[in-house]
Amino acid sequence: EPEVTQTPSHQVTQMGQEVILRCVPISNHLYFYWYRQILGQKVEFLVSFYNNEISEKSEIFDDQFSVERPDGSNFTLKIRSTKLEDSAMYFCASSEPTGVNQPQHFGDGTRLSIL
Amino acid sequence: AQTVTQSQPEMSVQEAETVTLSCTYDTSESDYYLFWYKQPPSRQMILVIRQEAYKQQNATENRFSVNFQKAAKSFSLKISDSQLGDAAMYFCAYAGTASKLTFGTGTRLQVTL
Repeated sequence: EPEVTQTPSHQVTQMGQEVILRCVPISNHLYFYWYRQILGQKVEFLVSFYNNEISEKSEIFDDQFSVERPDGSNFTLKIRSTKLEDSAMYFCASSEPTGVNQPQHFGDGTRLSIL
Repeated sequence: AQTVTQSQPEMSVQEAETVTLSCTYDTSESDYYLFWYKQPPSRQMILVIRQEAYKQQNATENRFSVNFQKAAKSFSLKISDSQLGDAAMYFCAYAGTASKLTFGTGTRLQVTL
């Protein structure tokens, strides 16, 4: 069964450094998402992406965050200047192009640790 | 804004027994979808079951079924014949006209022998 893959599985970064989290969505999916989960808390929506542009973003997704689909397969989340509070699990998800609210398929996540 | 509430931080069930996890939500939208996701210790988010709000019939998926009460804005998950592999964090989630998922705080399910 096709899967969403995320790399790296764990990223350790110094505060203030830039970090890029990578995702390869399922190949025929056209809707892409990033979520984050701070340890012990609920999963929070960050951003959705469709047709090469952001569809919606949350209050968390400030100017320090950006997303990109640099080629036909990768979907990246960049944090320009990381803060301690950015430490979390980041999940990428994708869904089919047959309309909104198709089930979202999640990757295994990237654990981001900011020192 | 939509909200999702899971009032049971932890639940426990014996193997082979049945357990029900509760979820309520608040929305002003008439067309929406509800989901249950499972997050085992490996941390991956796995879709368990999905319910379209316009469908009156409750969704079922093998040992998993839901009790969807639209007027009460309630969406509970029933797990029958519980297995050790069902032990995980379970998240209820809502998706409306915007496709983003809004999650509840989760219920940790323990399965005992």
